[in-house]
Order: sequence, then structure tokens, then C-alpha cells
Amino acid sequence: DGGITQSPKYLFRKEGQNVTLSCEQNLNHDAMYWYRQDPGQGLRLIYYSQIVNDFQKGDIAEGYSVSREKKESFPLTVTSAQKNPTAFYLCASSTGTGGSNQPQHFGDGTRLSIL
Amino acid sequence: GQNIDQPTEMTATEGAIVQINCTYQTSGFNGLFWYQQHAGEAPTFLSYNVLDGLEEKGRFSSFLSRSKGYSYLLLKELQMKDSASYLCAVRGYSGNTPLVFGKGTRLSVIA
Repeated sequence: DGGITQSPKYLFRKEGQNVTLSCEQNLNHDAMYWYRQDPGQGLRLIYYSQIVNDFQKGDIAEGYSVSREKKESFPLTVTSAQKNPTAFYLCASSTGTGGSNQPQHFGDGTRLSIL
Repeated sequence: GQNIDQPTEMTATEGAIVQINCTYQTSGFNGLFWYQQHAGEAPTFLSYNVLDGLEEKGRFSSFLSRSKGYSYLLLKELQMKDSASYLCAVRGYSGNTPLVFGKGTRLSVIA
């Protein structure tokens, strides 16, 4: 089945540690996105990539890094510089064709907590 | 700037109709999306509006007025499984521009 796979489902980070969240899609979508969701805050954009080997900062990029070496993959690294990383992280993708009516499709999310 | 407003919480009775409103002020407009999100799960796409008017999909309908910067999601014949958060999102520019989300409306359906 086509879809977006995020792993792991739950992740724990120690102080001063970098962690990487995986996001893989087999939908042949050009664009991929990372959002962070906190209670009462809605979804906030961290980074997005509209094409391989290119990505853009979103509204809350500080303390995060990404890469887009393959069309299928868009991993997110939460660095030690991110002082409040506890949140629900959602990866999404959308096709580049078909116009602006194409929705973003979401993975099941990774819940990150601090030990 | 981008601003999308929705009520934080709503409660409705099983079998009833509920309307969830969304107002937006964004730089550019290329469509408005509604998503449903059950607690701890991924958002799932419900509807898309880009032209003024009502789009109907079974028990769910969505309305848009571009001149007023206003949309609503209408849920009919409410079921307990409709208890979820409903997210309003706007695409400001073309194709792959990221969606900007409101904070969501948590709907509780009671017996």
C-alpha cells in the first residue's frame, strides 16, 4: 500500500543528545514537510522540501535540521540546540502535479519526549 | 501575516448537526482544507474549497466565502466516532506551498 511511514512511533532523548526522526513515502510525491504539534498550538511548520536536494525553513526551524537526498526520504534531526523538543512530530507529503487542490497526506507521527 | 481562527472546543449531541467555523487572513489564497484528527493520530483530509460555495461529501459539507475570509465545516447526523479535532488549513500560494493550519477545534459528541 502507498503511504507515509514515520519511525519510531515513540522516541526518548537525553539532554545534549541529537536524535533523528525518519520519514519515508512511496507515493512518488515531490514535496515533503515536517510539522510539530503541541497541545493547544496546532501544527507548526519546521521545514519543507519541494524537490530533491532542496529544502526551506518553516516558522520554527531553530534547533532542527533536515536533508533531502532521495525523493522518498526526508529525515528530521532534533539537535541539542532545541531546548523544548517534547512534542508530536508529523511528516507530510504532497504531489507536485494536479494543482493547488492536492492535499497534504500525513504519516502517523513520532512522539518525542525528554528523559 | 497569516492568521487562522477556529473555536477551541465544541460539544454536540449524537444525531445532531454541528457547524465549525474558520476565519482566515493570509497573504495569498489558493484553497482551504479541512482535516479530521483523532487524538494521537495523523490528520486525515476531509475537504477542499477554492471557489465560493458549498461542497458536499456525504455527512460532511464545507462552505467558503473568499470575500469574507470565512469557511465552515458542517457535520450532519453526528456519531460518537466524530469526536475528534477538526483542523482548518489554508494554502497561500501554488501547488506545493505548505499549508498553514489553525489551532483546531476539539469536538466532543455526547449521547
